[in-house]
Amino acid sequence: KQEVTQIPAALSVPEGENLVLNCSFTDSAIYNLQWFRQDPGKGLTSLLLIQSSQREQTSGRLNASLDKSSGRSTLYIAASQPGDSATYLCAVRGNYGGSQGNLIFGKGTKLSVKP
Amino acid sequence: DAGVTQSPTHLIKTRGQHVTLRCSPISGHKSVSWYQQVLGQGPQFIFQYYEKEERGRGNFPDRFSARQFPNYSSELNVNALLLGDSALYLCASSLTAHPQETQYFGPGTRLLVL
Repeated sequence: KQEVTQIPAALSVPEGENLVLNCSFTDSAIYNLQWFRQDPGKGLTSLLLIQSSQREQTSGRLNASLDKSSGRSTLYIAASQPGDSATYLCAVRGNYGGSQGNLIFGKGTKLSVKP
Repeated sequence: DAGVTQSPTHLIKTRGQHVTLRCSPISGHKSVSWYQQVLGQGPQFIFQYYEKEERGRGNFPDRFSARQFPNYSSELNVNALLLGDSALYLCASSLTAHPQETQYFGPGTRLLVL
């Protein structure tokens, strides 16, 4: 059974700091891994999608890496800003229960960037 | 272009009632998935539909059902509501049901069961 864990559960940093969010998963047989951002009470915004054959993806100040064999992914945020404050969710997609369509999510890391 | 839209945005029901939630995918997307997110947890998969057929079902009771219409919009129905059904219900769409495609999420419907 696939399980996704995100550490830490919460993180508070001063503005301008570089930071790393961690995600681990128990079953390496995945199609891809996706990082999302969720603002309080809102839906999910897709940040980066890494296919199983890829090692990393970059978008602006964000860089996500994937090490499928060790079951780990990191999301690196450079020069953090107060507007980055949100909950960051990691999700993997595989063949679970006969369905290829569903994402398995971690519980998220709540990030607070202080001005 | 409009993203995934969901209605209503908020809903209050009492135990035992029935609820219908609606989702319109991004134009051109033919696959819709539903997720339930309880406060403090990550979303959990409920259903996936593609071309009006169910492609996947999560570990939810039979009180939960869904369907997809010819225009690819979708409804999620929940019967005999329980307090534990209180959650944010998220809809996601993608071009097809191919597992390598990105899923795009809507803003969600927040359901409160009293």
